[in-house]
Amino acid sequence: SQELEQSPQSLIVQEGKNLTINCTSSKTLYGLYWYKQKYGEGLIFLMMLQKGGEEKSHEKITAKLDEKKQQSSLHITASQPSHAGIYLCGADKARRNSGGSNYKLTFGKGTLLTVNP
Amino acid sequence: EAGVAQSPRYKIIEKRQSVAFWCNPISGHATLYWYQQILGQGPKLLIQFQNNGVVDDSQLPKDRFSAERLKGVDSTLKIQPAKLEDSAVYLCASSSRRSDRGLGYTFGSGTRLTVV
Repeated sequence: SQELEQSPQSLIVQEGKNLTINCTSSKTLYGLYWYKQKYGEGLIFLMMLQKGGEEKSHEKITAKLDEKKQQSSLHITASQPSHAGIYLCGADKARRNSGGSNYKLTFGKGTLLTVNP
Repeated sequence: EAGVAQSPRYKIIEKRQSVAFWCNPISGHATLYWYQQILGQGPKLLIQFQNNGVVDDSQLPKDRFSAERLKGVDSTLKIQPAKLEDSAVYLCASSSRRSDRGLGYTFGSGTRLTVV
């Protein structure tokens, strides 16, 4: 089964600082998703990466997928208190059956980010 | 488009009681997922439906958990009887296959269950 390891488990930064969260897979990734979650709430989609070497940015958040498609990083520039929350990486996992392929997301354990004003 | 709707948002029950959660996916999404997220962990898939059929329920504790999606649209997840370790956030998600952008998974706001 595909295992996703996230690091660090938790992170405390001062407002304005840059930070990076890593997600490593034991297998080649087909699709890698980043989500943000407020405690006890639903997941908010951030970005999805598919191609080796791909990089996407949205506002101050940049996600990258390495060439081997086994590691992804999420970088936040000039962090703000609004960036605080749990960041989860998820990977597509396909299951083949007679009807075609069915996909599901498996997740890492998450990284808890605290941004102090 | 409207998002994935879940209810209730919060629920507190005593152990050995029963509880049910409801999910209405995005219109047209054939695949529906229920995840369990225990505090400090990532979401774990409990069951996956394709239309009204079960695709994967390998991690569903079938002695106490059940789920159905009778008409291939909304779904209910039930726990009977609940245990303390069932305290978690229950997330519903739906997806549509987009060949050019991969899968689009959309999550609901979740139901936070506390078993006392």
